[in-house]
Amino acid sequence: GQNIDQPTEMTATEGAIVQINCTYQTSGFNGLFWYQQHAGEAPTFLSYNVLDGLEEKGRFSSFLSRSKGYSYLLLKELQMKDSASYLCAAVDSNYQLIWGAGTKLIIKP
Amino acid sequence: DTAVSQTPKYLVTQMGNDKSIKCEQNLGHDTMYWYKQDSKKFLKIMFSYNNKELIINETVPNRFSPKSPDKAHLNLHINSLELGDSAVYFCASSQHVTGEGGSPLHFGNGTRLTVT
Repeated sequence: GQNIDQPTEMTATEGAIVQINCTYQTSGFNGLFWYQQHAGEAPTFLSYNVLDGLEEKGRFSSFLSRSKGYSYLLLKELQMKDSASYLCAAVDSNYQLIWGAGTKLIIKP
Repeated sequence: DTAVSQTPKYLVTQMGNDKSIKCEQNLGHDTMYWYKQDSKKFLKIMFSYNNKELIINETVPNRFSPKSPDKAHLNLHINSLELGDSAVYFCASSQHVTGEGGSPLHFGNGTRLTVT
């Protein structure tokens, strides 16, 4: 079956760096998305990786290793507003999105 | 503002009732979706329309019926509501079919449905 695994919850300190991991098992692979979802709000697009390597966008970076079925989202210089759930979603061979349950990130002062 | 908008934001109703949720996007996207997010926060695809044609119809009860009058609108009608239908329903759109070429989903703000 197809599956996405990511930690349920993580805690980090304001100003620090945190890495949220995601492993996936899909029938074929056409890329991986990261979304941010604040409580009570809609998910918003953060990044898309289809090739191996690191993509950097300001304080957020996303990494992909296709051979390992692994991705991570790296958040630097954490701010309180980064407290949210982070959803990992892989695209399978039929262009279906397989979603993880999300990682709730709690930022402490 | 360019966006995906859905109404209503909150919907409280009794078991057995019929209700509709409306969705509109003015992004010029080809594909629209309905997702259900349950209390465990999993996003589950329900329906997907590409240029007004249904391209995904996951195993959802036939009490749920999508209607797409045109490319910019995808409404969701639910008959005979049950307690288990309580969830947040998100409408979304993307330029191309899910994930193709990295085409991201743009979500509406969600409709929180509570069935009592």
